[in-house]
Amino acid sequence: DQQVKQNSPSLSVQEGRISILNCDYTNSMFDYFLWYKKYPAEGPTFLISISSIKDKNEDGRFTVFLNKSAKHLSLHIVPSQPGDSAVYFCAASERSQGNLIFGKGTKLSVKP
Amino acid sequence: GAGVSQTPSNKVTEKGKYVELRCDPISGHTALYWYRQSLGQGPEFLIYFQGTGAADDSGLPNDRFFAVRPEGSVSTLKIQRTERGDSAVYLCASSLGTGRNEQFFGPGTRLTVL
Repeated sequence: DQQVKQNSPSLSVQEGRISILNCDYTNSMFDYFLWYKKYPAEGPTFLISISSIKDKNEDGRFTVFLNKSAKHLSLHIVPSQPGDSAVYFCAASERSQGNLIFGKGTKLSVKP
Repeated sequence: GAGVSQTPSNKVTEKGKYVELRCDPISGHTALYWYRQSLGQGPEFLIYFQGTGAADDSGLPNDRFFAVRPEGSVSTLKIQRTERGDSAVYLCASSLGTGRNEQFFGPGTRLTVL
């Protein structure tokens, strides 16, 4: 049973536009959420995180929104750039646990 | 500074053989994690260490899998009697501690069991 779900396997966006990647979770004990970006043949790279006490966190072109009542979070990238093309993973953890639970990922393609 | 390194980058073995995968974490990071990523899936947790001890090994799929971190730095993931279903990318990550610390991942070891 997937506790973290990324229902869109792929997303294609035009350069300069906004990319919105979505993630849903089922475990109400999750209190910390992260987004990782992965290029082929490399390990995942941390992008941005958010604690459950917040509903928004922003870092440059990247903003993560958390809706706890809906158990939903999203990553907004604006403006999107071709170098953003990668697989994006949503991950979550519980305070008492050290490990991360990952979604299956969304492959983002940003076209020039 | 140096990131997390993993060796070998690729390992091809035959069914039934024993393999060892190595992880060198970022210097000073006390927490070390092993994940496994199969095709089309996200990383799946296997085990994590806080210092030398395994704090949580609940993700290890069966007793053919074992990991050690004897001096609290380098870790080795050991797989006995490999099966074709063990084929995956094995990722290692480290962090300053557990909890709200960002995990830094290595490039992974691609294991292929023929």
